[in-house]
Amino acid sequence: QLQLQESGPGLVKPSETLSLTCTVSGDSISSTSYSWGWIRQPPGKGLEWIGSTFTSVSTQYNPSLKSRVIISSDTSKNQFSLKLNSVTAADTATYFCTRRRSGTSYRDYWGQGALVTVSS
Amino acid sequence: QSALTQPASVSGSPGQSITISCAGTSSDIGNYNYVSWYQQHPGKGPKVIIYDVSKRPSGVSDRFSGSKSGNTASLTISGLQTEDEAEYYCNSYTTISTWVFGGGTKVTVL
Repeated sequence: QLQLQESGPGLVKPSETLSLTCTVSGDSISSTSYSWGWIRQPPGKGLEWIGSTFTSVSTQYNPSLKSRVIISSDTSKNQFSLKLNSVTAADTATYFCTRRRSGTSYRDYWGQGALVTVSS
Repeated sequence: QSALTQPASVSGSPGQSITISCAGTSSDIGNYNYVSWYQQHPGKGPKVIIYDVSKRPSGVSDRFSGSKSGNTASLTISGLQTEDEAEYYCNSYTTISTWVFGGGTKVTVL
């Protein structure tokens, strides 16, 4: 059974870097069959696509976040990570890691979500 | 990229059918058949109910159906049930190789 699990600090100070890791079990992030990504949801608000990685090499980012985001992969640990720098209170959100079947819009697996609060 | 446009809320009585629209542009919905819909109950994570405009994942009720016309996608829920009360989000691929969500629609079962 595929599982995605987000991990990382739940509290980050303004202007610092938010770092989250998604550990994948039950599939390989190197697979060409799937793309792996991050989506966030501020409290009480809608979903926002942050970015994604494919075969640990190709990455795409939301243009509104592109200057502050890096998504990277560690195939040896079967993990992919999100780094968002210069955070503000507006980055407070639940962050989900996801899997999407290549060549489709089928985002079939989501992690349970990790709430990250930006506050001093 | 701008968010896709969804109505803030839609309501219906049990047994009725409702339709949620998702308006985009020729740079997203109008250019690809990569539209998906997600259902989210309070306190839970999103669950995909429609992908590639009209395909239904295994296990999703056939009361949910999707379609697209031009730059607008639609989700129809037939035979509305109390458990359908949730937030619904549309999502589309774009011409700049990114993904964009709609703002969400709250479905209320009267």
